Amino acid sequence: QVHLVESGGGVVQPGRSLRLSCAASGFTFSSYAMHWVRQAPGKGLEWVAVISYDGTNKFYADSVKGRLTISRDNSKNTLFLQMNSLRPEDTAVYYCASPYCNETGSCFGLDYWGQGNLVTVSS
Amino acid sequence: DIQMTQSPSSLSASIGDRVTITCRASQSISSSLNWYQQEPGKAPNLLIYAASSLHRGVPSRFSGSESETEFTLTISSLRPEDFATYYCQQTHTTPFTFGQGTQLEIK
Repeated sequence: QVHLVESGGGVVQPGRSLRLSCAASGFTFSSYAMHWVRQAPGKGLEWVAVISYDGTNKFYADSVKGRLTISRDNSKNTLFLQMNSLRPEDTAVYYCASPYCNETGSCFGLDYWGQGNLVTVSS
Repeated sequence: DIQMTQSPSSLSASIGDRVTITCRASQSISSSLNWYQQEPGKAPNLLIYAASSLHRGVPSRFSGSESETEFTLTISSLRPEDFATYYCQQTHTTPFTFGQGTQLEIK
């Protein structure tokens, strides 16, 4: 059974840093791209970033480019989001998610999600 | 970036109604469109992928269709558990943008 468990959230002052982790189990983590998606309180979903299965390719939303960095450690089945220069508008629940991939290896959408981890940026 | 315009933003309907939610992409995304359902306080659930493919375990009353850059999610006969918020997302080109969401409420 697939499990994604986020950790590392909390309250942080503007301009400071925080690192989120997402521990994966129940599937071959090193074979899948992984995503971060966030949701500000009372707002819609915002896609944040994706990292390829081997960590060589990374893509970001414009709103976080240069401040948030996605990475992974396949030896530990763990995904990370390093968040620097945090702003109040980064306040959100952050989800890690894995894609749905069919038997031919084509991947679509976001299938498994973590429980979400609240990050609050406030002085 | 590809913009996803979802409508309506909210919708009131009754049990047994047929409802339709629309998502329009600002440019061609082929069939790279997914639909999600989200209940309050929970992570989203994938309903439809590749515009019209029903994800595993999703009831057949849900369906998706496409016409060029316009995509539609249809629920054929609403059940109580369907009252939630629905989002579209394009996974054609990064950034993989979501629509603004449609909150489906009981009339």
